[in-house]
Amino acid sequence: GDSVTQTEGQVALSEEDFLTIHCNYSASGYPTLFWYVQYPGEGPQLLFRASRDKEKGSSRGFEATYDKGTTSFHLRKASVQESDSAVYYCALRTMQQGTGSKLSFGKGAKLTVSP
Amino acid sequence: DPKIIQKPKYLVAVTGSEKILICEQYLGHNAMYWYRQSAKKPLEFMFSYSYQKLMDNQTASSRFQPQSSKKNHLDLQITALKPDDSATYFCASSQGQGRNNQAPLFGEGTRLSVL
Repeated sequence: GDSVTQTEGQVALSEEDFLTIHCNYSASGYPTLFWYVQYPGEGPQLLFRASRDKEKGSSRGFEATYDKGTTSFHLRKASVQESDSAVYYCALRTMQQGTGSKLSFGKGAKLTVSP
Repeated sequence: DPKIIQKPKYLVAVTGSEKILICEQYLGHNAMYWYRQSAKKPLEFMFSYSYQKLMDNQTASSRFQPQSSKKNHLDLQITALKPDDSATYFCASSQGQGRNNQAPLFGEGTRLSVL
């Protein structure tokens, strides 16, 4: 079945550091890819999505590029702030005839940014 | 103002009892979903509905029954509760069909504890 692999479980950085959170996927079709962010006590919020190869998604200084060749969608930010501390989830969606769509999430990466 | 309302925010239940988790969305979306998040597993898809029709069910147990009485409602009935059902249950919704389906937006969740 479709799956998403996030290798970093915890990421600890200082303010103004560069962030990379890795995301690789496995899917039988041509998935749409997403990054969501979740703050404590809240539901996941969409950061951005990408639907086709080489498409770049971006929001709030975060960005990721859909790479079908390496089946990756790595999240990057040039300079993190303390307010970016949260859990980041990579997800994919494939469409299936007659069954609508569902998101498959990675295990999430908890980012902690120190001042 | 929250556009996806989940009630209650916290719920404590005893093993063997039955509870209903409420979800209403005021976004005019045609598709609604339930996801579960626990300490053991990341965000996990449970059900999807489109125009009040069940599209996909990834929940093995029949103890979990979604109920859609209105177009913007998708409640979740859980019977014969077990401690393993303890999790945060998120309702989500989206608009569109097929590959143009928007990214799901999530509610703030209902945190269920089964004693």
